[in-house]
Amino acid sequence: KQEVTQIPAALSVPEGENLVLNCSFTDSAIYNLQWFRQDPGKGLTSLLLIQSSQREQTSGRLNASLDKSSGRSTLYIAASQPGDSATYLCAVRHGNKLVFGAGTILRVKS
Amino acid sequence: GAVVSQHPSRVICKSGTSVKIECRSLDFQATTMFWYRQFPKQSLMLMATSNEGSKATYEQGVEKDKFLINHASLTLSTLTVTSAHPEDSSFYICSARRTSGGVRTDTQYFGPGTRLTVL
Repeated sequence: KQEVTQIPAALSVPEGENLVLNCSFTDSAIYNLQWFRQDPGKGLTSLLLIQSSQREQTSGRLNASLDKSSGRSTLYIAASQPGDSATYLCAVRHGNKLVFGAGTILRVKS
Repeated sequence: GAVVSQHPSRVICKSGTSVKIECRSLDFQATTMFWYRQFPKQSLMLMATSNEGSKATYEQGVEKDKFLINHASLTLSTLTVTSAHPEDSSFYICSARRTSGGVRTDTQYFGPGTRLTVL
């Protein structure tokens, strides 16, 4: 059974800091990995999708890496802003399903 | 970008009543839609996978007679919570996997969610 773990569970940083969110998964037979953002009481916004054959994807201040063999992904956020405050979810596509981690709650203080 | 809508965004109902939640892909076709449930401060749990024109596939532990799913067209799936009870109160989120030119793509697009409160 695929399990996804995210560390840390919560993170509070001052504005401007660079930060790293971690995601690990138990079964390396994934199709792809996706990072999402969720604001309180809202749905999910897809940030980055990394195919299993790729090592990383970048979008603006966000960079996600994937090491499939070791079952790990990181989301790097550069120059964090208060508007980045949200819950960040990692999900792997295993078969036809997305399996989600519990998320990292990020708070960026101004 | 691809948009998925859900209606209603919030619903409060009495125990024993049924509630229908609609999920629509507004600008793309989706042969497959997914229904998730999210408890406070927890992650999304897949309830069922809905395929257009066929029966939904439910995850282990999800009662198919309680959570009725219908995927009648390539842009609409509905989730009906029958005989709702307070323990069914939760945040329900749908997702649609985009199909383009008959080819299923990888990205899932998520709706804004429906907050169900059963009194």
